[in-house]
Amino acid sequence: DVKVTQSSRYLVKRTGEKVFLECVQDMDHENMFWYRQDPGLGLRLIYFSYDVKMKEKGDIPEGYSVSREKKERFSLILESASTNQTSMYLCASSTVGGARGRRRPQHFGDGTRLSIL
Amino acid sequence: EDQVTQSPEALRLQEGESSSLNCSYTVSGLRGLFWYRQDPGKGPEFLFTLYSAGEEKEKERLKATLTKKESFLHITAPKPEDSATYLCAVQAMVGFQKLVFGTGTRLLVSP
Repeated sequence: DVKVTQSSRYLVKRTGEKVFLECVQDMDHENMFWYRQDPGLGLRLIYFSYDVKMKEKGDIPEGYSVSREKKERFSLILESASTNQTSMYLCASSTVGGARGRRRPQHFGDGTRLSIL
Repeated sequence: EDQVTQSPEALRLQEGESSSLNCSYTVSGLRGLFWYRQDPGKGPEFLFTLYSAGEEKEKERLKATLTKKESFLHITAPKPEDSATYLCAVQAMVGFQKLVFGTGTRLLVSP
């Protein structure tokens, strides 16, 4: 079974702090993703990475950055936390597509519930 | 713009009362449609992938179907442990492996 582990289940930080969220996957997946999930808005993609040291912006990258120094680890960084970044953050990973261009599913961790005070 | 709409927002069923959840989508060429289950305080758990209209997948009491405009998740004789939020997501032909999610259907099955 795929295992995606997020370092913290709950985190409370103060406005202006630099915040690091860590994610590790154990299936040698090439692709890794960071989403945030908010009531009524669903999951929205922040950043993704398709290889070590490679990153691409998702739909809502403002205020965030990412780091992928090793294949199994993908970090999300809030440069200067703000209250509107209070949310559930979900990390996911997937392997590259299978036959006939069919995509493999993304597998998610259990999330980090982040509160910015 | 790719879009996913799920209905109803919430559904309450009695144990054994079958029903269906709907996922309507607009996408610039469908590469795949994914169903996930999410329990409170947990991340989404993968259920099914559907790739083309007419395709069906089954797992225990769940059956997912796909047309060119929508997907249904049929729940037959549900049990209380089927209570969860069910999420639908689509992946387009164009672009990287980005998933566009709906906001989900919260299902509550009462004994």
